Amino acid sequence: QKEVEQNSGPLSVPEGAIASLNCTYSDRVSQSFFWYRQYSGKSPELIMSIYSNGDKEDGRFTAQLNKASQYVSLLIRDSQPSDSATYLCAAGYQKVTFGIGTKLQVIP
Amino acid sequence: DTAVSQTPKYLVTQMGNDKSIKCEQNLGHDTMYWYKQDSKKFLKIMFSYNNKELIINETVPNRFSPKSPDKAHLNLHINSLELGDSAVYFCASSPTGVNSPLHFGNGTRLTVT
Repeated sequence: QKEVEQNSGPLSVPEGAIASLNCTYSDRVSQSFFWYRQYSGKSPELIMSIYSNGDKEDGRFTAQLNKASQYVSLLIRDSQPSDSATYLCAAGYQKVTFGIGTKLQVIP
Repeated sequence: DTAVSQTPKYLVTQMGNDKSIKCEQNLGHDTMYWYKQDSKKFLKIMFSYNNKELIINETVPNRFSPKSPDKAHLNLHINSLELGDSAVYFCASSPTGVNSPLHFGNGTRLTVT
């Protein structure tokens, strides 16, 4: 069974802090890795995609991929209350599998 | 607006009924999907079509039948609805196949009573 594991949280961070979200995946042939943000009652929206080892930065967001450890992370710098949402990690090759999502709460 | 649009937004029906959900994308994407998000918020793929051809068919009851009349449309028909079918169903599309990012529709909340 190909799985993507995330801690469901909630992860609470104060406003302005760095939020660190983590994810592991079981399928070693996974080539595509994504982070989606889902607000309550809304559809998931893409935050970051990453395909090779290392870091990828986009504004306040940094995705990190370590294929040897089968580990993906998302860092959110200068966290804002508007970042409060569930963050879904997804990984796969021929088919993308989603994790359960980590609920992030940014406390003003 | 360029988007993935699905209808209806809400669907309340009784057990045993048959219902359909429609999805259209005007993003020019080749691949479309149906995902189910259950009460635990777990998002699971059901089907995927690439240019009208079925490429992913997960372990889904035969009561669920997707239809793609063209690459911009993917509909989902559900026969003999059961209580366990209650969930949010998301349509999605991606530009170049199953390894590219997904663009989701707004979801259809199906409640079976």
